[in-house]
Amino acid sequence: SQQGEEDPQALSIQEGENATMNCSYKTSINNLQWYRQNSGRGLVHLILIRSNEREKHSGRLRVTLDTSKKSSSLLITASRAADTASYFCATDADDKIIFGKGTRLHILP
Amino acid sequence: DAGVTQSPTHLIKTRGQQVTLRCSPKSGHDTVSWYQQALGQGPQFIFQYYEEEERQRGNFPDRFSGHQFPNYSSELNVNALLLGDSALYLCASSHLVNYGYTFGSGTRLTVV
Repeated sequence: SQQGEEDPQALSIQEGENATMNCSYKTSINNLQWYRQNSGRGLVHLILIRSNEREKHSGRLRVTLDTSKKSSSLLITASRAADTASYFCATDADDKIIFGKGTRLHILP
Repeated sequence: DAGVTQSPTHLIKTRGQQVTLRCSPKSGHDTVSWYQQALGQGPQFIFQYYEEEERQRGNFPDRFSGHQFPNYSSELNVNALLLGDSALYLCASSHLVNYGYTFGSGTRLTVV
């Protein structure tokens, strides 16, 4: 079963613009993670935010977490063609990580 | 430092057959988790192994079984294959005190 739900399911933006993806989840979590997947290959871990954190940055990535609303957002600033991929949020509860269905991001030249 | 290695990369099997997929975790990682990802979907949790024991299991039938060896490598076995088992099978390793997973590139299984 899916724990997280990403929104939107698909997103197309112009290169250089910012991309924002949202994730909602259902149960209490230890942490929330974001992953990227290119063309059906393995997933790449992007960033982890713990349940007691509200915001985290890594390069062009900014993640927020609102545990009261059970939601998170991933912001990619100054998007590049190489950012074209599927992005998944994953919640860690009971020591197993459950993924959402993902947001397919397409960066237009 | 090698990451997670999965073999084979691609596999074609016939309905009713059995398949074994293999995974070598990243150096220093002791926990292996397996996921099934159908086309256009997110990865679905199958099970997790730690200290050669199955710690957690997702909503998969008993046809899906696994094993972890003393060197932390792992196998996923699927018996009596169905067409619906066609998917990308992903292995992820981690160390219990850290929570980020390192994924392998996956095994693409096609059941015909």
